[in-house]
Amino acid sequence: GQQVMQIPQYQHVQEGEDFTTYCNSSTTLSNIQWYKQRPGGHPVFLIQLVKSGEVKKQKRLTFQFGEAKKNSSLHITATQTTDVGTYFCAARGSARQLTFGSGTQLTVLP
Amino acid sequence: DGGITQSPKYLFRKEGQNVTLSCEQNLNHDAMYWYRQDPGQGLRLIYYSQIVNDFQKGDIAEGYSVSREKKESFPLTVTSAQKNPTAFYLCASSHFWGNQETQYFGPGTRLLVL
Repeated sequence: GQQVMQIPQYQHVQEGEDFTTYCNSSTTLSNIQWYKQRPGGHPVFLIQLVKSGEVKKQKRLTFQFGEAKKNSSLHITATQTTDVGTYFCAARGSARQLTFGSGTQLTVLP
Repeated sequence: DGGITQSPKYLFRKEGQNVTLSCEQNLNHDAMYWYRQDPGQGLRLIYYSQIVNDFQKGDIAEGYSVSREKKESFPLTVTSAQKNPTAFYLCASSHFWGNQETQYFGPGTRLLVL
C-alpha cells in the first residue's frame, strides 16, 4: 500500500523557536491532511491541502503542499507550550483511504 | 471530537479472550473507521465501513472483526487470534467516503493484555 514518510520523529524546541515537520510520498497524492494529537488525547483535524503548491495559514501555523503533490510541510512560528503534541500528516492517493505518517512529537521547553 | 464516543476508556484482556470495543457516533456520518496506534507510531487502519451492512479490511485486519448493523455504531472485536493486541484503539467517522472527507476521532480505548 501507499507509504508516507514523516520526519523528524521527535523535536524538542525552546519556547519561541520555530518548528517544521515534513511529509514525503513516493507517489503523487490527491490531497493531504494534517492532524494534531495532544498527549493522552486523540487526533484532531487541522487542515487539508488539495492544490499543487498550495499554502495555507492558521495563525502561527503554515501548511504547504509541494508542486509535484508528493510532499508537504507544517511550520510553526514562535512555538508556545500549547503547541505540544504529535503532528500527523495523512495522505490520500488513488486508493481514497487515508494513510497516516508516523507523526512528529513536538516538545516545547519553557 | 464531540459526537463520537468510545467505551471503555481502558480495557484489560486475558490471554485467549475476545473483547469488544464500542464506538458510537451521533453525527449522522456514513463512514466509520477503526485505527490502531502503537507508541511512537502513526495510525494504522484496521477496518472501515462506508455504509451500513458493509465493511472492508484495512491494512492490519488479521485478528479483528467488525459489524455495522446500524449507522451510528461500529463495534470492533479483538479476537484471541490477535497476538499483540496491546495498543490504543481509535474510532473515527466522516460525512462520506469521498476524496476530501475529513475524519473525526473518538477519545480512544487503551487495551492492555494481562
